[in-house]
Amino acid sequence: DIVMTQSPLSLPVTPGEPASISCRSSQSLLHSNGFNYLHWYLQKPGQSPQLLIHWGSTRASGVPDRFSGSGSGTDFTLKISRVEAEDVGVYYCMQPLETPHTFGQGTKLEIK
Amino acid sequence: QITLKESGPTLVKPTQTLTLTCTFSGFSLTTSGVGVGWIRQPPGKAPESLALIYWNDDKRYSPSLKSRLTITKDTSRNQVVLTMTNMDPVDTATYYCAHQDYYGSGSLTWGQGTLVTVSS
Repeated sequence: DIVMTQSPLSLPVTPGEPASISCRSSQSLLHSNGFNYLHWYLQKPGQSPQLLIHWGSTRASGVPDRFSGSGSGTDFTLKISRVEAEDVGVYYCMQPLETPHTFGQGTKLEIK
Repeated sequence: QITLKESGPTLVKPTQTLTLTCTFSGFSLTTSGVGVGWIRQPPGKAPESLALIYWNDDKRYSPSLKSRLTITKDTSRNQVVLTMTNMDPVDTATYYCAHQDYYGSGSLTWGQGTLVTVSS
């Protein structure tokens, strides 16, 4: 299985400040088609995970532009330019390149 | 609009078999590139992929749970069924089904999930 490792696991942030989450995979997620098979999901309290970013850097429909994804191969980053109260929850990276699809441990973002 | 809803027992006893049904709308499992998977999430932990079935009946299972899992589809009813044998308290989790766009980015659209507790 591809192992996904996130850091930090806990992220207290002051509203209006930036935030950054790292995700590393044990194998390259760069496909021969040139796309990185890496997603970012946000699970808000009491809800199912929702897609934020796919292809490593493409925002899903309706996702605010304060969210951005970057990286390639085995190292990826999710950045929030200015954290808002509605951004609280647990952020997961996930790889759909190989089955079983695997998730990072999650990063819990909380407001200071 | 893609929607999925999980149904099944909320409480099962140890050693019993769990059967969960995912009923979906907004897509067809006969369409090339479509998949439906089952994912579980123990309380306070990360999600774990269990099984996936594609439009062409290709089935993929978590290697660690493969001996206990069976996934099937009923395209006429727009349903996917997961069975898990020999349930144990460590299998207590919220079980989600999700649509996957295989020919796209492989992104998931999740159902609301159903909490299954394993206890005697």
